[in-house]
Amino acid sequence: AQSVTQLGSHVSVSEGALVLLRCNYSSSVPPYLFWYVQYPNQGLQLLLKYTTGATLVKGINGFEAEFKKSETSFHLTKPSAHMSDAAEYFCAVSDGGSSNTGKLIFGQGTTLQVKP
Amino acid sequence: DTGVSQNPRHKITKRGQNVTFRCDPISEHNRLYWYRQTLGQGPEFLTYFQNEAQLEKSRLLSDRFSAERPKGSFSTLEIQRTEQGDSAMYLCASSNSGSYNEQFFGPGTRLTVL
Repeated sequence: AQSVTQLGSHVSVSEGALVLLRCNYSSSVPPYLFWYVQYPNQGLQLLLKYTTGATLVKGINGFEAEFKKSETSFHLTKPSAHMSDAAEYFCAVSDGGSSNTGKLIFGQGTTLQVKP
Repeated sequence: DTGVSQNPRHKITKRGQNVTFRCDPISEHNRLYWYRQTLGQGPEFLTYFQNEAQLEKSRLLSDRFSAERPKGSFSTLEIQRTEQGDSAMYLCASSNSGSYNEQFFGPGTRLTVL
């Protein structure tokens, strides 16, 4: 079975400050890990993903995340927050691969507030 | 290609009525997923198709729910005898099973059951 825990349902940062959104996962198979962003009344947009290879992955809008197997973590960071980053962020895990379902198991989400 | 589309975007219905939602995936994608998202929660998996075959259904998908994907193209999700607890955002996503299964989401259909 797979699960995701996002620590902190709300995170507030000042514009220009570091963004850190925490995600821990549980998986009985090598995981594929994803971060999605959701703006109000919209669908989900993929920020970045880890499948295999390099453990530090870079995504859109200056975000990056590091896969740490020993810590079962996949935290999302951005060096400098922008007002437009205010949104809901979801971490997700899947069993990946063409021989598996690939269904996504999501965390409960973290709302990022950016203060001017 | 303009991405995954869903119709309608909003649906308001009375308890006990039937509703049907449609999802049009990215054309070359062979997998299609349905998720449900309630307020303040992450999306929850409902069911998925590979081509026209429905390969897995969540326990969340009661007998009142049915999904189809005729000819492996668009998909429909029908809810019969709607209940207030069915009020949620219904999200559709599509992927290519050979591309690390990166899923692309549609804008969702927001259902309100009065």
